[in-house]
Order: sequence, then C-alpha cells, then structure tokens
Amino acid sequence: DIQMTQSPSSLSASVGDSVTIDCRASQDIITYLSWYQHKPGKAPKLLISGASTLESGVPSRFTGRGSGTDFALTISSLQPEDFATYYCQQSYSTLYTFGQGTKLDIK
Amino acid sequence: EVQLVESGGGLVQPGRSLRLSCAASGFIFDDYAMHWVRQAPGKGLEWVSGISWNSNSIGYADSVKGRFTISRDNAKNSVHLHMNSLRREDTASYYCVKDMGPHTPSSYGMDVWGQGTTVIVSS
Repeated sequence: DIQMTQSPSSLSASVGDSVTIDCRASQDIITYLSWYQHKPGKAPKLLISGASTLESGVPSRFTGRGSGTDFALTISSLQPEDFATYYCQQSYSTLYTFGQGTKLDIK
Repeated sequence: EVQLVESGGGLVQPGRSLRLSCAASGFIFDDYAMHWVRQAPGKGLEWVSGISWNSNSIGYADSVKGRFTISRDNAKNSVHLHMNSLRREDTASYYCVKDMGPHTPSSYGMDVWGQGTTVIVSS
C-alpha cells in the first residue's frame, strides 16, 4: 500500500498569512495527487487534482506543486473561510489512500 | 444539478451486515468511476473502496478487504456497498464519491461528494 504522510498535523495562522502543507508518498505516484478541504458537518471539497490543477471555482490563492513523492499545498493570504482540515490523497494505485489530515485553525 | 444521495445507514450489531446505496443524478453515471470514503468519529478521511465505470477494476482498503463488496448498476445510476462481518471500528459516516475519470486508478481527483450516511456498529 502507498502511505501518505502529511505535515504538520495541525497549524495555527492568522488571516492574511501564507501557509504550506506538505505531503509525502511512500513511493513514486507521479502527479496522481489531489488535495481536499473539509469543514465540520460538510462534505469534503476537491481543491486540486493532478498535483497542481486548480479545480473550477477554487480561489487562486490555493496552489499545489510537486511530483514523484513530495508535494505541497500553499494557501496565500488566508481568508476566514480557509480554516478547515486539509487532506492529500493519492490515486496512483487501485487502493487509494489519504494523508492523515492537517487542521488549520485561527491563531 | 449533480447530486449523490446515500442511504442505508443505521445501527447494527457487530458481526451483522448492512447495505449502503448511492443514487446519482445530474451527470452521465457510466462515464465515471465511483468510490466510498468514510470518516470515523474524531478521525480523518479513509478511502474504503472504488469501482471503475464498467466494474472491471475494483479496489478495497485493507481494513475492509474480504468483508465489503462494492457494486454498481449503470442502468439505475446507483452504486452500492455491501458490508458484512461489521466491526465496531467500521462505525463512521460513509460518503459516496464521484471520480473525475472513468477508471481506477486515475490521474484525476474525486469531485462530487454526497452528504454521507452514518453507520453505527454497536451491541
């Protein structure tokens, strides 16, 4: 199985800050990597697929990069609605896996 | 409107079975792979199972392999998850999720999520 490891597990930041969440795969997954935002009581939302392709309607302050085993999600100029839990997920193998999540809260 | 609506959740005793269903609408169902993803209380997202558009490719998480079976009915725009030998650790909200592509594995993400159905395994 491909293991996905996110860091940090939690993060505190202020509105207007820029933050980066890292995600590492246990083997090469090329760019078969997606990022999701999840808020309590709501369904998760796809932000980025193919490691760097922003989904329609997602603000441009969200940026994904990386390939192979190392990936990152950067949120620039944090807005109040961005405080949530973020997950990376690989779709390279038939057995998909998520990272353990990064909870982003307001400092 | 693209929509996924799950049903079939509930309270079940350990060792028993349950069948979850997902009704899809608003898109060409047999053009896309489908998945089930769950979230246990206080835990993160866990991918459970996925099925390609033509059911030729199916995958399961190790935690459910041999106990859960995914299936789809393209004529009825539905996907199902048959859960046998349920354990307390299967307690979770189960989401039906649409892939952006027809196959699994896929270079795409999962773009449409249902609101989830809750399964509680307890005696």
